[in-house]
Amino acid sequence: DGGITQSPKYLFRKEGQNVTLSCEQNLNHDAMYWYRQDPGQGLRLIYYSQIVNDFQKGDIAEGYSVSREKKESFPLTVTSAQKNPTAFYLCASSWTGSRYNEQFFGPGTRLTVL
Amino acid sequence: AQSVSQHNHHVILSEAASLELGCNYSYGGTVNLFWYVQYPGQHLQLLLKYFSGDPLVKGIKGFEAEFIKSKFSFNLRKPSVQWSDTAEYFCAVNDDRGSTLGRLYFGRGTQLTVWP
Repeated sequence: DGGITQSPKYLFRKEGQNVTLSCEQNLNHDAMYWYRQDPGQGLRLIYYSQIVNDFQKGDIAEGYSVSREKKESFPLTVTSAQKNPTAFYLCASSWTGSRYNEQFFGPGTRLTVL
Repeated sequence: AQSVSQHNHHVILSEAASLELGCNYSYGGTVNLFWYVQYPGQHLQLLLKYFSGDPLVKGIKGFEAEFIKSKFSFNLRKPSVQWSDTAEYFCAVNDDRGSTLGRLYFGRGTQLTVWP
C-alpha cells in the first residue's frame, strides 16, 4: 500500500531529552512537510523540504531540526530547546512544490513530555 | 504572509440539518483552496479542492464549497449532515508566490458535532 508512515504513534519523553520522530513515504513524492497540531490552533508548519538535502523553516521552527538525506524519509528532532513540545505532530508529502499539488498526511505521532 | 480564518470553532447540529462552515483568506493574488477533514482517530484527508474554473466545487460524501473571489471566501456546505460527519474540518490555502510555493496555510479548524 502506498502511503505515509509515522512512528511511533505515542511517544513519552522526559523534559530535557531530544527525541526524533520518524516519517517515511513510498508515494515517490518530492516534497515533505512537518506540522504541529494543538487544540484550537490548527496545523502550524515546522519545516518543509522540496528536494533531498534541502529544507526550509516554517512558521514555528525554533527548537526543532530536520534532515532530508533520502527522498523517502524526513525525520524531525524535537530538541530540549523547544519550550512546549507536548503536541500532535503530523507529517505530509506532495509532488514537487507546486501550488497545484494536494498534500497527503500520515497518521501522526502524539508526543508527551513529562 | 497568508492568513486563513475559520470563524466557527465548534458547531453542533442535529442530523439532517444543513451545514455551512466559513473560511476566509487574506492574500489577494492567485490561490488554491482546500478543505481537509480529520475524523476521530483517522488521518487528515482531503474533502475537496479548488484550483480554477467553476467556483462551485463538489467533494466526497456530499460536501461542496463555493469560491467567492471578491469576498476572499471558500465556505464549505452540506445540505443534510449525518452523525458520521462528526469530525474536525480545516480550510487551507496556497498561493502563487514563488518563495513559498507548495506550502499550505491552515485555518484553526472547526469541530463539527452531529447528534443523532
